[in-house]
Amino acid sequence: DTEVTQTPKHLVMGMTNKKSLKCEQHMGHRAMYWYKQKAKKPPELMFVYSYEKLSINESVPSRFSPECPNSSLLNLHLHALQPEDSALYLCASSQVIFRTVYGYTFGSGTRLTVV
Amino acid sequence: AQKVTQAQTEISVVEKEDVTLDCVYETRDTTYYLFWYKQPPSGELVFLIRRNSFDEQNEISGRYSWNFQKSTSSFNFTITASQVVDSAVYFCALSEVERDFGNEKLTFGTGTRLTIIP
Repeated sequence: DTEVTQTPKHLVMGMTNKKSLKCEQHMGHRAMYWYKQKAKKPPELMFVYSYEKLSINESVPSRFSPECPNSSLLNLHLHALQPEDSALYLCASSQVIFRTVYGYTFGSGTRLTVV
Repeated sequence: AQKVTQAQTEISVVEKEDVTLDCVYETRDTTYYLFWYKQPPSGELVFLIRRNSFDEQNEISGRYSWNFQKSTSSFNFTITASQVVDSAVYFCALSEVERDFGNEKLTFGTGTRLTIIP
């Protein structure tokens, strides 16, 4: 299995809702990432988890709360979002062994609309 | 800090023409990785190539080829005999490898939107 699976593919939520994005991989990768991509812009890193521990938070607002329950799963909990948070949210995983990066595998993303 | 520049915002070519997408990068590290990704309208990022900083050999894969020149910090991508299915946004990206695993960041260029005209 060489895929990163993200659910749901599309999500519309109100500003008072609480929702979660899910990401799953079974490649044995020990680093997982959340990226945010606005229209016509490159992906921007939000969070990095390494061995299920949060290693990088790129100053993301607290209304985004990541969670890594185990080495295969990555969640992004959403609460009290703003319309400007509407974007494509991409999950990725990677493996690094002895400073060799074995690529990044991306999921197909969750297209989020906040109304 | 690492930086990737893709100066070409949009390119349009007629089908069967060759097209080169430029990528220039900046990094302080001696060990790093360069990538190209394709993003079709559906949104997923499709991996095309990974190249490490110690391997300056050019690579060809079918109609795709890549020219890595460390002296000019460039990693350009050429599509030969372009096809309509090549229409997409193409991102060049750079990853430095931190001493402590888990701190790698993949930094993307701003992307080049390629349109192949039938």
